Amino acid sequence: DADVTQTPRNRITKTGKRIMLECSQTKGHDRMYWYRQDPGLGLRLIYYSFDVKDINKGEISDGYSVSRQAQAKFSLSLESAIPNQTALYFCATRAHGPTDTQYFGPGTRLTVL
Amino acid sequence: QKEVEQDPGPLSVPEGAIVSLNCTYSNSAFQYFMWYRQYSRKGPELLMYTYSSGNKEDGRFTAQVDKSSKYISLFIRDSQPSDSATYLCALASGGSYIPTFGRGTSLIVHP
Repeated sequence: DADVTQTPRNRITKTGKRIMLECSQTKGHDRMYWYRQDPGLGLRLIYYSFDVKDINKGEISDGYSVSRQAQAKFSLSLESAIPNQTALYFCATRAHGPTDTQYFGPGTRLTVL
Repeated sequence: QKEVEQDPGPLSVPEGAIVSLNCTYSNSAFQYFMWYRQYSRKGPELLMYTYSSGNKEDGRFTAQVDKSSKYISLFIRDSQPSDSATYLCALASGGSYIPTFGRGTSLIVHP
């Protein structure tokens, strides 16, 4: 079984709809992250959480919100989706040591029409 | 100027070639240097991780860091078609250890 799972893997929705992307991990890591990836722009950080009670905005948080329901679960919501939120979304986890690195989920491809 | 610059390519090489992938950066606070490989429609996976200047080798892969020039490289020896992927550099400073990613370089190794 995958250590970091994301649901759904693909989603097509319409402008104005509310969308939730979910991430679960079995690695026991404290830290979780949401990124979006656009062609030519690389990975950009949306939100991150260092534990259940800690939520931080990343580089591009406008239009997004998150919820850390448990150590293993971190959800990303688009309250009112717009077409320029069409992208590939990745969840990542990390332990808290200085030499620990991030582990990524398989991604969710979101299309907003 | 972006904090991390990486040529998006694509870089096309014949099988067996030595590949050199590079990133430059402007923030001297970066202490941790990573290379991720991302296959099409997959999440990035860590290839190499180093936190000092010099070379680190792992099989056919060598990561090189030159802090004085703010330049990092990934070398792939005896490249294979299975190495065809996008390679992302990622750099982090101490404290939050949240990496800043390059845009990624698309590598195509043709038989």
